[in-house]
Amino acid sequence: DAGVIQSPRHEVTEMGQEVTLRCKPISGHNSLFWYRQTMMRGLELLIYFNNNVPIDDSGMPEDRFSAKMPNASFSTLKIQPSEPRDSAVYFCASSFRGLPDEKLFFGSGTQLSVL
Amino acid sequence: AQTVTQSQPEMSVQEAETVTLSCTYDTSESDYYLFWYKQPPSRQMILVIRQEAYKQQNATENRFSVNFQKAAKSFSLKISDSQLGDAAMYFCACARGSARQLTFGSGTQLTVLP
Repeated sequence: DAGVIQSPRHEVTEMGQEVTLRCKPISGHNSLFWYRQTMMRGLELLIYFNNNVPIDDSGMPEDRFSAKMPNASFSTLKIQPSEPRDSAVYFCASSFRGLPDEKLFFGSGTQLSVL
Repeated sequence: AQTVTQSQPEMSVQEAETVTLSCTYDTSESDYYLFWYKQPPSRQMILVIRQEAYKQQNATENRFSVNFQKAAKSFSLKISDSQLGDAAMYFCACARGSARQLTFGSGTQLTVLP
């Protein structure tokens, strides 16, 4: 298995532009998570899907952020409009909920820089 | 709500020696799980070891083992026979109900000296 695949690996954009981050979870996994990592706040959970349905989006910072999971093999995190304070590494992770030894597998992250 | 505290921002160890990274947590859940993740410069978050709170036996994965003290809410990671490839940022994390919704500590940067 190729693991959790995120694209792009790096994204540089200007303030006000729309940014879309993409994630392909591990095949067969039914839970998907978006995390954000910054020096100031560390790793924070933004949103969590189970069976393509958003379960907990309480970590989404504001209305400029939105996430979708149209099918079991694809998810997007969109920021519109982007701001410099959104600069961070965004991680996608997936797991199979229900296994007694459920483990979370992370992608390599997208480094976002908003100028 | 859960909190995870790693009080050592940086640690160093000589190659082949043993090092222990500290972690304390606080949770009101009775069913929870504890994890150590490694983040090398490549940025990939790699699961090192996992401990179920209901298990008294400490988890072990090859050179990695934990000291789980449930009453003290302590979950330290011991790395034996340290290797240069162990150099990374290590994050302690807690999750209620299996792997969902991890709460991470602030991390400990481990340097391995040749």
